[in-house]
Amino acid sequence: DVKVTQSSRYLVKRTGEKVFLECVQDMDHENMFWYRQDPGLGLRLIYFSYDVKMKEKGDIPEGYSVSREKKERFSLILESASTNQTSMYLCASRSRTGQNTEAFFGQGTRLTVV
Amino acid sequence: DQQVKQNSPSLSVQEGRISILNCDYTNSMFDYFLWYKKYPAEGPTFLISISSIKDKNEDGRFTVFLNKSAKHLSLHIVPSQPGDSAVYFCASNTGANSKLTFGKGITLSVRP
Repeated sequence: DVKVTQSSRYLVKRTGEKVFLECVQDMDHENMFWYRQDPGLGLRLIYFSYDVKMKEKGDIPEGYSVSREKKERFSLILESASTNQTSMYLCASRSRTGQNTEAFFGQGTRLTVV
Repeated sequence: DQQVKQNSPSLSVQEGRISILNCDYTNSMFDYFLWYKKYPAEGPTFLISISSIKDKNEDGRFTVFLNKSAKHLSLHIVPSQPGDSAVYFCASNTGANSKLTFGKGITLSVRP
């Protein structure tokens, strides 16, 4: 079974802190994604990566950056956390075989910025 | 500009009845469509998908219908069970290596 693991289920951080959210997948997937989920807004794409050291901005990249130094790991960085970044963060991975496949999600990280 | 629209935020049905969840899209380049189910405090789990070359895909109690001319798809759950109560997201992409674009989700409540 594909496993996508996010390092924390719940995090509480202070405004202005630098926050790291880590995600690891064990299926050798090329594509990895970071989404956030907010009530009434659905899942919105923050960043995605289609290869090591490659990244592309999603729909809401402002205030975030990402790092992908190894194929299995994709990190989301909040440079200076703000209260409007309180959200559920979801990491996903997907195979890049040329055929349409599903994406697999981690369990999510509920981040609260106070 | 919302490319995947789930216009009804919630749906309530009785156990044993059919649940029909609708999704509309605007991008004619979308070629693959997926449904995900999400419980609170958990990540979404894949439910069922359909390619744009098909108009129906069935998996147990779940069937997805695609109407390309109307840019509309629907998920049918028959019979509905209380454990189906969750948020359902519709998603699509423009190619196997592109990002998945999600709708806002529909909260399904199945009453015993």
